[in-house]
Order: sequence, then C-alpha cells, then structure tokens
Amino acid sequence: EDQVTQSPEALRLQEGESSSLNCSYTVSGLRGLFWYRQDPGKGPEFLFTLYSAGEEKEKERLKATLTKKESFLHITAPKPEDSATYLCAVHDNFNKFYFGSGTKLNVKP
Amino acid sequence: GAVVSQHPSRVICKSGTSVKIECRSLDFQATTMFWYRQFPKKSLMLMATSNEGSKATYEQGVEKDKFLINHASLTLSTLTVTSAHPEDSSFYICSARDSRDQETQYFGPGTRLLVL
Repeated sequence: EDQVTQSPEALRLQEGESSSLNCSYTVSGLRGLFWYRQDPGKGPEFLFTLYSAGEEKEKERLKATLTKKESFLHITAPKPEDSATYLCAVHDNFNKFYFGSGTKLNVKP
Repeated sequence: GAVVSQHPSRVICKSGTSVKIECRSLDFQATTMFWYRQFPKKSLMLMATSNEGSKATYEQGVEKDKFLINHASLTLSTLTVTSAHPEDSSFYICSARDSRDQETQYFGPGTRLLVL
C-alpha cells in the first residue's frame, strides 16, 4: 500500500539554524507531491507542488526538493514565525491522496 | 488566488441535532472537493471525495447516512452531520481541486464542531 512517512515528528531549532524536513514515500506512480504548512486550529496552507524527480521550488526561506523516493523541505535561517506543522502529501496514479503525519517545527528566538 | 472558505468556523450544537458545514471555492471552479476530519495532534483523515453533480465517494468506515455530502455547484460543497453525537466533535476541513490544475488541493480554514 502507498505510504508517506515524515521525519522527524518534531524539530526544535534556534532562530537562524537551518535544517531540513524529510518526506519519504512509496507510491504506485507519483502524480504530484505537496507540501503544506498548518498552524494550530487552521486549515493547511499550500506551499509547493513537485511533479518529478530533480524538481526544486523555493519560496522565501523554504526550498522543496524531490527524488524518486523522498522529498526534503529545507528551511534556511528560520524565524519564529516559521513555527508550524509541515505536512507532506502525495497523489498517485489511482487518483488517491496520502498525507504524512507531519513535522511540528518550533523555532526559538 | 486559490482561496477556499468554510462556514461556520465554529459551531456548538446539542446531541441529536444536525449541522451543515459549507465549503466554497472563491476564485476558481472545483469539480472535486474533499472532506477531512482531524483529531488533535493528528494528521488529516479523508472522509469523502465530493464530485460536482454526482454522489460522493466515502472512505471505508465513514457512514454515508451520517455524513451527508452535497456538491451542487462548481464552487460549493456541503457536509451535513446528521444526528450529531459528542463523538462527532472534531475539526472538519474541506479542500478543493482547481479544475485547471488537477493535482493541487487547496484547503479551507476548517470548522470546529463541538457536540454537547
């Protein structure tokens, strides 16, 4: 069965301390991989869609990359306002979406 | 662009009553919308896929008669929780897929339901 695994479950960083979040996936034909940010009590906010291995996308301090088995969300010089839960999801050839359980990021000033 | 709204944002109801939640795509047309449920500190659980003009497809274990879904137009889907019970209390989130971009889901802000 298709699976999406995110690691770590939680990550604490000092402001300015760059790091990466991981999303590993096994899927029957990848149609798209998505990254979302979710703040407590709110719906997920769309960040990126990646379609094929080697693709990269950037937005402010965030950069998402994709290989055939995993995706990374790199956070460069994070700020406290980057604190949130980051969700990864994949869309497969059977038109199914699978979400990971998320990485809760806490950036301390 | 790609804004999805939900109404209400919070609702408190008595056990046995029904509650309707609306999901609207504000600046795009959505032939497909999704309804999720999220428990505290957990990821999203897909309840059903709503297709405009046809019956919704429910995930295994989700009661069709309890969670009624209607997708009557390209910008509106509704979820009605019938005969609500305290165990139905949860955070319900909808998402919509832009008809022009069949891959990305855009999420609404969520509806917090509390059944007393």
